[in-house]
Parts: sequence; C-alpha cells; structure tokens
Amino acid sequence: RKEVEQDPGPFNVPEGATVAFNCTYSNSASQSFFWYRQDCRKEPKLLMSVYSSGNEDGRFTAQLNRASQYISLLIRDSKLSDSATYLCVVGPQAGTALIFGKGTTLSVSS
Amino acid sequence: NAGVTQTPKFRVLKTGQSMTLLCAQDMNHEYMYWYRQDPGMGLRLIHYSVGEGTTAKGEVPDGYNVSRLKKQNFLLGLESAAPSQTSVYFCASGKLTSAAYEQYFGPGTRLTVT
Repeated sequence: RKEVEQDPGPFNVPEGATVAFNCTYSNSASQSFFWYRQDCRKEPKLLMSVYSSGNEDGRFTAQLNRASQYISLLIRDSKLSDSATYLCVVGPQAGTALIFGKGTTLSVSS
Repeated sequence: NAGVTQTPKFRVLKTGQSMTLLCAQDMNHEYMYWYRQDPGMGLRLIHYSVGEGTTAKGEVPDGYNVSRLKKQNFLLGLESAAPSQTSVYFCASGKLTSAAYEQYFGPGTRLTVT
C-alpha cells in the first residue's frame, strides 16, 4: 500500500460546483496533515493544514478521520482559478520530511 | 522576504557533467529539503536537513550529494549527471510552530540531461 494515495482525476466541474477530494494514508502514527495546491509548472503551495476537529477557510473545508486514516478536501462554489493539482500531504511527525500524494487534478470550466 | 529561492531556474547538462543547485531561504527555518518531481511520480524526497551541518537521505538519494554549511543555504550536487536525472527539482524549507508544521517551496529548477 502506498503511503499516501489520492484519486488522480482529473475532476472536470463547472463553475459554482462543489467538489470533494479524498486521500488515504498508511502510517497510523502520522501527526501532521496538509493540502497543498500546485499550479501547472509552478511550485506546490500550502493551501491549508488539516486538524482532527476539521477546519474551514472560506470555500475550502478539510476533514481528518484518524480512525480510518482518511483526509478530505471540499471546495464549494468552484471558481476558474481553482483549477490546479491538489496534493494530499502527511507528516510522520512534526519537523520530519513530509510525504506527498501524487495529486488530484481539478479543472473548472465556465 | 524573498522566501525560498533556487539557482539556476533552468539548466541543460550533458551526460557525465557535474553541477550544483543552490537553495537559499531567508525565513530562518531549521529544516530544508530537496525533492524531484517527475510526471506521474509525484514529489520524491532526495535529501533533507534538520539543521546546519546535518543532512540525511530521503527516498531517492542515489546520484546526489548535499551540504548545509550555513543555516540559510542547502546545496544539491550532481557529480556525474545521467539522463534519468532529468527532472524538476524543488527545494523547500520548514518551520515548526506551536500549532503545526509548515513547509514552503522554491520556484524549482528544470534540469535536462542529454
């Protein structure tokens, strides 16, 4: 089983749609969780951290289920500018190297 | 703050040539990393450093060496380049906060080995 698994997509949605990405991780001792966004030919950028209680940042909501070793990202009211690859990222423990999923590609069309 | 910068942005090498990629960060971060990204493979960790003077191997270290002589710089060296090392190389630095751990990336170096 790969350490961090994501559905590669692509997800093709119209503007205004709600889209959800899922991710599973294999190391039950993992302590830190993130979603990164990567635009074409650019570097990954931190989108949001993911906490056990769930967290929201505007149109973005992240959830963590430690028992199922599952992370999700929900994007509401999709914009054209949301088109990118979304990387699920897991850290064995804070400060050590992060483990990246291969990413899920989102394409939002008008 | 410039954040994380990488030099050069692009480079073409012939097989067997050597080169050094430079990563610099001005955020006073303890942790620094080198990744490579290939189509369909995602980001793979080459080497990392948890502090000045320390380095450790990541997932794909073969063919690469690193040095962290100064806290703000992390160098990645290719002693004898091979076509399999054609890739996009990203450097990152990280900090540990009271709430979480955050990692920031440089803009990348696109390397082609012919």
